[in-house]
Amino acid sequence: DAKTTQPNSMESNEEEPVHLPCNHSTISGTDYIHWYRQLPSQGPEYVIHGLTSNVNNRMASLAIAEDRKSSTLILHRATLRDAAVYYCILRDLRDYGGSQGNLIFGKGTKLSVKP
Amino acid sequence: DSGVTQTPKHLITATGQRVTLRCSPRSGDLSVYWYQQSLDQGLQFLIQYYNGEERAKGNILERFSAQQFPDLHSELNLSSLELGDSALYFCASSVGSGAGYNEQFFGPGTRLTVL
Repeated sequence: DAKTTQPNSMESNEEEPVHLPCNHSTISGTDYIHWYRQLPSQGPEYVIHGLTSNVNNRMASLAIAEDRKSSTLILHRATLRDAAVYYCILRDLRDYGGSQGNLIFGKGTKLSVKP
Repeated sequence: DSGVTQTPKHLITATGQRVTLRCSPRSGDLSVYWYQQSLDQGLQFLIQYYNGEERAKGNILERFSAQQFPDLHSELNLSSLELGDSALYFCASSVGSGAGYNEQFFGPGTRLTVL
């Protein structure tokens, strides 16, 4: 799987937008960009995924660069509950139905939210 | 609540012992994944089962084994335990077996402490 690079940590103020960057310069044309997060003392949870176009869901937005070499997870109004480690993970679309369904986690970005 | 259950929540045992961790996937999910999270190694994939069959293996030690039963619940067996096996063990489930956009749902984890 292609490698991703994320900052080790970021800080945000409550109720302000947060932009979490991820670089994936070796991304292939069939790689989906997934984001998961892990709240303290919990298992990881799915946040959002995309392939080429920007995506929105109830939790966040995903902005994907035109060349797909980077992406940004956007939390529109950070809350204290959003303090977590955020993982950017690439998954090859060609694995769907195959034998490599596992997620490969890097170190992620630890987001702190200040009241 | 992800719908994935894991028991026990905590487990304390001694070196050389054997333990069994249990996971029940979300209703309808056929794939079960096991991950280990330690302070120095981060989140690492161990093994995946799909509908009772082993699908993928990660960094799983020979002392560890797993199986998925006909009712789709899974057990992870850890034997000849060492201090370094102390970690959080997460189970995840998904509908399918592949990658791409196959979202995984994680359980709350079992914290294993080996004394």
